Amino acid sequence: NAGVTQTPKFQVLKTGQSMTLQCAQDMNHEYMSWYRQDPGMGLRLIHYSVGAGITDQGEVPNGYNVSRSTTEDFPLRLLSAAPSQTSVYFCASRPFTTDTQYFGPGTRLTVL
Amino acid sequence: GENVEQHPSTLSVQEGDSAVIKCTYSDSASNYFPWYKQELGKRPQLIIDIRSNVGEKKDQRIAVTLNKTAKHFSLHITETQPEDSAVYFCAASKGAGSYQLTFGKGTKLSVIP
Repeated sequence: NAGVTQTPKFQVLKTGQSMTLQCAQDMNHEYMSWYRQDPGMGLRLIHYSVGAGITDQGEVPNGYNVSRSTTEDFPLRLLSAAPSQTSVYFCASRPFTTDTQYFGPGTRLTVL
Repeated sequence: GENVEQHPSTLSVQEGDSAVIKCTYSDSASNYFPWYKQELGKRPQLIIDIRSNVGEKKDQRIAVTLNKTAKHFSLHITETQPEDSAVYFCAASKGAGSYQLTFGKGTKLSVIP
């Protein structure tokens, strides 16, 4: 198993540009989520999904869109990037039957 | 919603000493409390977790204690080693049926050889 994978590892955007952060897992986990990590702030939940076709907002959803068309993939879209979205983004997944979350390696995003 | 406070934000100990990190939570319905270790540039890794029906759990040099009445839980690392140096995060959730895991802001632990 590759576990949870994320692409790209690094990305630099200009203000107003759009992009999609990719997340995939091969463990057949129902639950997937996106977090952002900022210095001194811990990890904050952006959006999550409990299965294909079902998504919901977390603590800091503004400026981000998600969709879940398959069990494996959960992309995060920035429609118009802002400097405040400069952060490290982690995708995570877990099965319904346990509490343990598995994190991807992260994407470091800089918005100029 | 849930609020998790974590202290201290930084902690330096001599190699071989013990380290203790404390967290408090606000929602009495929370019943799952994991601890994550994050090395520089790496992803968070689960190191230990505890559920509300247990007061203490140990795994070799790591232990976690939970006081439900006071709504606080702590991570204890004994015989610290340089490779324990990392940022540690506590978190809380309402268990497998809940989709929200709320994290503390982290503690940077430095073990001095």
